[in-house]
Amino acid sequence: SSELTQDPAVSVALGQTVKITCQGDSLRSYYASWYQQKAGQAPVLVVYGKNNRPSGISDRFSGSSSGNTASLTITGAQAEDEADYYCNSRDSSGNFWVFGGGTKLTVL
Amino acid sequence: EVQLVESGGGLVKPGGSLRLSCAASGFTFSSYRMNWVRQAPGKGLEWVSSISSSNSYIYYADSVRGRFTISRDNAKNSLYLQMNSLRVEDTAVYYCAGDYGDYYGMDIWGQGTTVTVSS
Repeated sequence: SSELTQDPAVSVALGQTVKITCQGDSLRSYYASWYQQKAGQAPVLVVYGKNNRPSGISDRFSGSSSGNTASLTITGAQAEDEADYYCNSRDSSGNFWVFGGGTKLTVL
Repeated sequence: EVQLVESGGGLVKPGGSLRLSCAASGFTFSSYRMNWVRQAPGKGLEWVSSISSSNSYIYYADSVRGRFTISRDNAKNSLYLQMNSLRVEDTAVYYCAGDYGDYYGMDIWGQGTTVTVSS
């Protein structure tokens, strides 16, 4: 399968913890990467691999994986975390990239 | 400063052609696999095409295979996307993005260039 499935929308209270999930058969073989995209801006990589953050990304962001599901956890969500979040991984063949449909995070 | 700068977008009629360019600076371009990713208005991200660091491996999404051609010039630190037989559904912001390998994700992104296909 070459599909990654995300919930379209998730909300979290300010300062609380939220988990955004991504499901797909290829996640049994490949790690997911996670991107944050704010309105009118290019995506930004926030988590990659087993659980790694690029330089400059807040340690509020963490990743995990189990079976066919990858998760992005935001601990102590802030107003500036409100954005669209996309997961991304290789497809089952390993030749193509595939993106999830995206999750719109609202911080209440 | 690590940077990718796309150019070449614009308004084109259905069936027309356009060539996008992406200029890289601030990192070792020749070590990165490069990708084109697009985003239609109000929609999510869609991977379009990838080219390996040495030009050896090239892949396309089914939606563009046979119409789009990706290429790169490591001597010029540049990535290209030749788009032919454009369709209305190709209307999107096109981003170039670099990745260092499957494990590392796409860690370098350009600001995007807009392609509008309309009569």
